[in-house]
Amino acid sequence: DVKVTQSSRYLVKRTGEKVFLECVQDMDHENMFWYRQDPGLGLRLIYFSYDVKMKEKGDIPEGYSVSREKKERFSLILESASTNQTSMYLCASSLTGAERSQHFGDGTRLSIL
Amino acid sequence: KQEVTQIPAALSVPEGENLVLNCSFTDSAIYNLQWFRQDPGKGLTSLLLIQSSQREQTSGRLNASLDKSSGRSTLYIAASQPGDSATYLCAVSVNTGFQKLVFGTGTRLLVSP
Repeated sequence: DVKVTQSSRYLVKRTGEKVFLECVQDMDHENMFWYRQDPGLGLRLIYFSYDVKMKEKGDIPEGYSVSREKKERFSLILESASTNQTSMYLCASSLTGAERSQHFGDGTRLSIL
Repeated sequence: KQEVTQIPAALSVPEGENLVLNCSFTDSAIYNLQWFRQDPGKGLTSLLLIQSSQREQTSGRLNASLDKSSGRSTLYIAASQPGDSATYLCAVSVNTGFQKLVFGTGTRLLVSP
């Protein structure tokens, strides 16, 4: 079974801090994704990566950056955390192809105070 | 811009009922449609994936159909059980390679014993 592991289930940080969210997958997937999930807005794509060191902006990249130095690890960085970035963050990975589903981690609930 | 809508937003049924969840999307140029389940505070679990060339997929008590021309999908759950209680999310893939998904906001299902 594919396992996608997010480093923290709950995280509390302060406004202005630089925040790192880590995600690791164990199935050699090319593609990795970061979403945020908010009530009434659903899941929205922040960034995705289709290969090591490659990244593409999703629908809401403002205030975020990403890093993919190794195939199995995809990091989301909040450069200067703000209260409107309080949310549930979900990481996913997949192989390439229309028949391939995405596999999700359990999420990190991030609170910015 | 692709938009995905799920109706109803919430559904409560007694155990044993057969039920249908609906998903509609605005742009028929999709590569696949996926149904996910999300338990409270958890990540998403893939239930069924229907490629654009397919009409339906089945897994156990679940059956999902796809009508691309009308922009609709349904998830049929037979003989519902309390363990089926969860939020069900529909997502369409808008890119064949990188599996960029656009999500609906989900249907919250409660099955009472």
